Amino acid sequence: DTQMTQSPSSLSASVGDRVTITCRASQGIRNDLDWYQQKPGKAPKRLIYAASSLQSGVPARFSGSGSGTEFTLTISSLQPEDFATYYCLQHNAYPLTFGGGTKVEIK
Amino acid sequence: EVQLVESGGGLVRPGRSLRLSCAGSGFTFDDYAMHWVRQAPGKGLEWVSGITWSGGRTAYADSVKGRFTISRDNAKNSLYLQMNSLTPEDTAMYFCARDASSSYVSGMDVWGQGTTVTVSS
Repeated sequence: DTQMTQSPSSLSASVGDRVTITCRASQGIRNDLDWYQQKPGKAPKRLIYAASSLQSGVPARFSGSGSGTEFTLTISSLQPEDFATYYCLQHNAYPLTFGGGTKVEIK
Repeated sequence: EVQLVESGGGLVRPGRSLRLSCAGSGFTFDDYAMHWVRQAPGKGLEWVSGITWSGGRTAYADSVKGRFTISRDNAKNSLYLQMNSLTPEDTAMYFCARDASSSYVSGMDVWGQGTTVTVSS
């Protein structure tokens, strides 16, 4: 199985900060990686697909990069509505696996 | 509006069975593969099972293999998860999610709001 190691598990940041979250795959997954945002009591929402493509309707302050085993989600200027938990998902091989999540909290 | 609505969750005793349903609307259901994803209270997301557009291929997490069965009825725009031999470790919110393709290898672009399953004596 492909393990997804996500870091950090939590972070505190201020509105306007640049935030970076990383996922590392235990084996190469090409660019078969998505990023999701989840707010408490809500379903996840896809932000980024194929490692770097922005989902329709998602603000351009979100971006993704990487290929192979190292991937990054960047929020260029954190907004109040961005405080949430973020997950990566690899869909290169079954079983599909999520990262452990990163909770972004207000500093 | 593209929508997925889950139903069938509830409180069930260990060892018993439960069947979840997911109704799709606002899109051509049989153009897409589908998945079930769960989230235990206070924990992260766990992929459970996936099925191709035709139902011809399925896949399961090791944690549910042999106990859970995914299926679909394209005529009814519905996805199902039959859960047998339930244990307390199956307690979670269960989400239905649409794959971005007809196979099941493209990630999930639409999610339902979830249905809660609680396994307890």
